[in-house]
Amino acid sequence: DAKTTQPTSMDCAEGRAANLPCNHSTISGNEYVYWYRQIHSQGPQYIIHGLKNNETNEMASLIITEDRKSSTLILPHATLRDTAVYYCIVRARDYKLSFGAGTTVTVRA
Amino acid sequence: GAGVSQSPSNKVTEKGKDVELRCDPISGHTALYWYRQSLGQGLEFLIYFQGNSAPDKSGLPSDRFSAERTGGSVSTLTIQRTQQEDSAVYLCASRGGGSQETQYFGPGTRLLVL
Repeated sequence: DAKTTQPTSMDCAEGRAANLPCNHSTISGNEYVYWYRQIHSQGPQYIIHGLKNNETNEMASLIITEDRKSSTLILPHATLRDTAVYYCIVRARDYKLSFGAGTTVTVRA
Repeated sequence: GAGVSQSPSNKVTEKGKDVELRCDPISGHTALYWYRQSLGQGLEFLIYFQGNSAPDKSGLPSDRFSAERTGGSVSTLTIQRTQQEDSAVYLCASRGGGSQETQYFGPGTRLLVL
């Protein structure tokens, strides 16, 4: 399974866009990129996923590079409630998920 | 229900006791997963149920751990003779099955073994 690399932490100002990078240079052609987040003491929350094309939903946008070796999750207008650990995952063929350390995002007023 | 639910939310038990953790998946979801997350650790896969197929138990850490899924819906994770190292958050997730990719997680059960 492809591994992912994310920065350990980042700060973001409330109301500004938060851009979270993820490297997945060993991703294979049929593997999706998934993003989840985990707010303290809660279960992981699904955010968005994509294969090749950029994706947008009510929570975020996902930009995937043409070579698919990296992606960026964009939270367009960060709020204090977006403070969480964000996980970038490449989905295993057998659907088992494996989270690494993720990026701890702190949104500051 | 609207989402995955788990019970109890918190469980404190004494070393050596057995515990049962329950998961109610999203209605109609055929795939169900159990994971655990220890303090400061990532997500660890435990077991996976898909429809009527034999479960994938490859992640269970020892024979003290077992799980069943009755009627293709509710699942129970049982830990026998609990040890302190079993203390963790136990998470359940369900997925629609087939080509539906996304797993949706419950809030977890926080287990503390004294």
